[in-house]
Amino acid sequence: EADIYQTPRYLVIGTGKKITLECSQTMGHDKMYWYQQDPGMELHLIHYSYGVNSTEKGDLSSESTVSRIRTEHFPLTLESARPSHTSQYLCASSPGVKQYFGPGTRLTVT
Amino acid sequence: DAKTTQPPSMDCAEGRAANLPCNHSTISGNEYVYWYRQIHSQGPQYIIHGLKNNETNEMASLIITEDRKSSTLILPHATLRDTAVYYCIVPRSAGGGNKLTFGTGTQLKVEL
Repeated sequence: EADIYQTPRYLVIGTGKKITLECSQTMGHDKMYWYQQDPGMELHLIHYSYGVNSTEKGDLSSESTVSRIRTEHFPLTLESARPSHTSQYLCASSPGVKQYFGPGTRLTVT
Repeated sequence: DAKTTQPPSMDCAEGRAANLPCNHSTISGNEYVYWYRQIHSQGPQYIIHGLKNNETNEMASLIITEDRKSSTLILPHATLRDTAVYYCIVPRSAGGGNKLTFGTGTQLKVEL
């Protein structure tokens, strides 16, 4: 099984705060992804990366940004959190097509 | 991704086989069919994938029709822990970067 970690698992934060959701993997996978999922709804790809210094926006527009400075690390940042950002954020990595998912971060912005 | 169509929900008795269908009539000749599941908002879990031959692993079997326009995921002896949303996905080919589009999937409920 792949080892992919997300922290924090749960975050409740006030409007206007800057937050960074962490995602790391230990398999040396080049491809990494961020998905957003509201309760009971579909997963939507918001960012992806095919390697260091490579990031692309996904299918769903998001106000978040990502960076890929190291292969194993793919953090997601919201500069100013809003209640509309309340959602679950799932990170995945892949050596090819098969993706391995982390446990997710459930974000609540009050 | 090639468009896939799945029933929104299915029920299955514990211990019985769960057969989850998927239509992917626009699939191209070199595109694989992938199945994932998501248990109550956890991260999705890979189950199995195939191209044209039937596949089996420790979790499930995948039956792909000869014309490749549909497939069936089989959980041979469903348990309560198999209750989840099951996604049938045909990833975009290399030019699309192998990204996955999850859709709404099939909510499988396994009951006593």
